[in-house]
Amino acid sequence: EVQLVESGGGLVQRGGSLRLSCTASGFTFNTYNMNWVRQAPGKGLEWVSYISSSGYVMYYADSVKGRFTISRDNDKNSLYLQMNSLRDEDTAVYFCAREKPGQSDCWGQGTLVTVSS
Amino acid sequence: EIVLTQSPGTLSLFPGERATLSCRASQSVSSSYLAWYQQKPGQAPRLLIYGASSRATGIPDRFSGSGSGTDFTLTITRLEPEDFAVYYCQQYGSSPRFTFGPGTKVDIK
Repeated sequence: EVQLVESGGGLVQRGGSLRLSCTASGFTFNTYNMNWVRQAPGKGLEWVSYISSSGYVMYYADSVKGRFTISRDNDKNSLYLQMNSLRDEDTAVYFCAREKPGQSDCWGQGTLVTVSS
Repeated sequence: EIVLTQSPGTLSLFPGERATLSCRASQSVSSSYLAWYQQKPGQAPRLLIYGASSRATGIPDRFSGSGSGTDFTLTITRLEPEDFAVYYCQQYGSSPRFTFGPGTKVDIK
C-alpha cells in the first residue's frame, strides 16, 4: 500500500524552529518528486515547497523563502521540512504529497504546527 | 502567477442531485496540468481528476471533469452522501509549483 506519514508537528513559539518529517512506503520513493502543502485552520490549500526526486532541485513559496528548507533522504525514504523563524501565519496542518506530472496523487494525513506567542 | 477562482463558494443540494462546480483561471492553463481534489473535514485531499478529465484510480464514474483554456468544470451526477465535501481545483505551473482555487463546499440541503 502506498503511504505517506508525517510527523514532527507541535506547538512552537513565534520565532522558533521545527523539523517536519514524512516517511514513505509502498513505492519507489527515489523516483518521485515531492511537495509540502499546508492548510491554515478553516482555510484553503497552499503549496509550500517542492523537491525533485534526486534532491538537487528545490522551490519555495514566497511566503516561506529564506525561512524553510526542504530536503530528502532517499536511503531512508524520507522527506523533511526544516522551518525556522516561525510566524503566527505558519500555523497550519502540513501535508506531504507525492507528485506525478500535473497531479498530487498521494497525500499524508498531515501534521499540525501551531505557532504561539 | 495564475490565479484560480472557483464558483460557487457553497453549493447546497439534495442527495441524488447533480452538482456542477466551476474553476476559472486568470490565464490559459494546459489541460494536462489541471486537477480536482475532494477534501472532507479532518482528512487529506484526495485526487479525483487529473489532466482536466481523467479520473484517478478508484474514483467512481459519477465524477467527471471537462474544460480547457481558462474554464474547467467538475460534475458530480447523482450526489451520494459521501460526496458532501469541499472540492479544490489545482493547476501546475513553474513558479509557484502549483496553485489551488479557494474551494467549493458542497453541502446537504
